[in-house]
Formats: sequence, structure tokens, C-alpha cells
Amino acid sequence: GQNIDQPTEMTATEGAIVQINCTYQTSGFNGLFWYQQHAGEAPTFLSYNVLDGLEEKGRFSSFLSRSKGYSYLLLKELQMKDSASYLCAVRGGNNRLAFGKGNQVVVIP
Amino acid sequence: DVKVTQSSRYLVKRTGEKVFLECVQDMDHENMFWYRQDPGLGLRLIYFSYDVKMKEKGDIPEGYSVSREKKERFSLILESASTNQTSMYLCASSWNEPETQYFGPGTRLLVL
Repeated sequence: GQNIDQPTEMTATEGAIVQINCTYQTSGFNGLFWYQQHAGEAPTFLSYNVLDGLEEKGRFSSFLSRSKGYSYLLLKELQMKDSASYLCAVRGGNNRLAFGKGNQVVVIP
Repeated sequence: DVKVTQSSRYLVKRTGEKVFLECVQDMDHENMFWYRQDPGLGLRLIYFSYDVKMKEKGDIPEGYSVSREKKERFSLILESASTNQTSMYLCASSWNEPETQYFGPGTRLLVL
């Protein structure tokens, strides 16, 4: 089976840095994805990690530790438009994606 | 840009009706997926397909069937809609490698 855990909600101030954590337990591991989903819209792809370490993409970075079953998404210089749900998804040994329930980030002025 | 489209954004159906949800992608992706998303439960995989005329059950296939007659089109069928199938339905597609999934805009289905 697969289990993906994310905190449900966090609030942060515009301009700040926020870290969104994801822990997982899966049968096999073939990569971890982060998606952003605005209310009422479809998820959009943010990042992909398959090896340990940090992947940086502009204001967004994603980190993976396979031995700890842990990833985080780092959002820097927060903007109001970053208010969204952030979904962690793991591709297990069966090559299917298992999604976490999402972490709702609320950005306040 | 990858484009995944779904036939309807909003749909209202009655219990017992047959419902067709269509998904089309224009990137020649091999893989296509149907999910439903419910508050507190996250995204759950209903069915997926790795090739034309191929289909595999996901985690919650009961009450659903699918059809993939052409590579670009993947249909989800609710043979006899029930109120517990009220949900947001999301279609996604991907290449084999990398297997990043791209999502359509979603169909919000209400079954009365």
C-alpha cells in the first residue's frame, strides 16, 4: 500500500518563505511530484524529484530524501497568487501516482 | 504547450442516468488517467490506459467503465449514476518517460 502525509493548512505572509512537507511510505519508489492547485482548477505540475537532493526552479525548490521517505517544497518571496493547495504525489513500484490530500497555503498581506 | 480538454466543466444528472465524460489530449501521450477528487480524500485513481484499447483498474473502479478507441481520447462512463458519484472528475495524460501527468480543467458532476 501507499501512504502520503501532508499537513492540511498553513498561513504565511506575502514576501516570506514557506516550507511544505510531505512524508511517504510506498511499495517501491519511482519519483516524487509536486503539483499546485488553485481552488476550482486542475492541478498544474511544479517539480519532479527522483534522486536525493534539491531541485531549484525559480522561486520554487523541491527536496527529496529517499532514505527518510521525505520531501519538501520551498516557496520563496511569497506572492498572493501562491495561495493554493500543494499536492505531493509519489510514483510507487506499480508506476501509479499516489496523491497526498494536499496542503492549503493561505498567503496574507 | 500540453493541452488536455474535458467535454464539460459542469454537469447535472439524475440518479440512474448513463453519463459520459470525455477527455482529449493533443500531445500524442501514451498514457491517460481518470481521477476523482473529493474534499478530505484527495485525488483517487479510477481507471487508466497505457495504450489504445487497453485499460486498467485504479483504486476505485466500481461503478465506472472506460473506453479508449483512439490514442487522443479517453472516456469515462458511469453506467447508472448514483449520488455518491457526485464529485470533481479530472483527466490526465502523460508520456511514458518522463511520466509527468498533465491535467484537464476538470468536470464537476452533480448527481441528483
